Amino acid sequence: GENVEQHPSTLSVQEGDSAVIKCTYSDSASNYFPWYKQELGKRPQLIIDIRSNVGEKKDQRIAVTLNKTAKHFSLHITETQPEDSAVYFCAAIRGAGNKLTFGGGTRVLVKP
Amino acid sequence: DAGVIQSPRHEVTEMGQEVTLRCKPISGHNSLFWYRQTMMRGLELLIYFNNNVPIDDSGMPEDRFSAKMPNASFSTLKIQPSEPRDSAVYFCASTFGLADYEQYFGPGTRLTVT
Repeated sequence: GENVEQHPSTLSVQEGDSAVIKCTYSDSASNYFPWYKQELGKRPQLIIDIRSNVGEKKDQRIAVTLNKTAKHFSLHITETQPEDSAVYFCAAIRGAGNKLTFGGGTRVLVKP
Repeated sequence: DAGVIQSPRHEVTEMGQEVTLRCKPISGHNSLFWYRQTMMRGLELLIYFNNNVPIDDSGMPEDRFSAKMPNASFSTLKIQPSEPRDSAVYFCASTFGLADYEQYFGPGTRLTVT
């Protein structure tokens, strides 16, 4: 089955700096890669996703890049703010009939 | 829309007891997912229904766990008998379509088995 590795497990950044989280996946047929944000004590919520026919997607301060050849994708957060502090999960899926596999999560702390 | 509704929000029970978690998906969504979240194992998919039919239950830990979806607006996850290692937050999520679309998570049920 699919295996998703996520790094780093924790990330501390100064407010205003950028944060980058990287994920690798094992199944070359995977074609959908969402990112979820989970604030402390809350539910995971989708913040951005990308499909395999696109190399990059941006939404305001967040962007995701996908390298299908290397089987890795990354989340970039620019101009970080304290409210960006949360756990971020990447995930991958090989087609609609399969299940979403999550990475282990990255705890991001933005220091004011 | 009220979003995905889960009950109870917190459950404390003794080892050996039966536990039933409930979920009401967002109206119109036809896929429902049960996840378990722990510090050690992260976020794991337990079972996935589409149009009330189980599609993938490979994540169900063992026979003590069972899930049903009798209709489009209700699902249950049952643990019988419960064990301390079942302590976790259980999330239900739903989406319109299959697993490769945005999943909307419920608030979760925090289960503690003593």
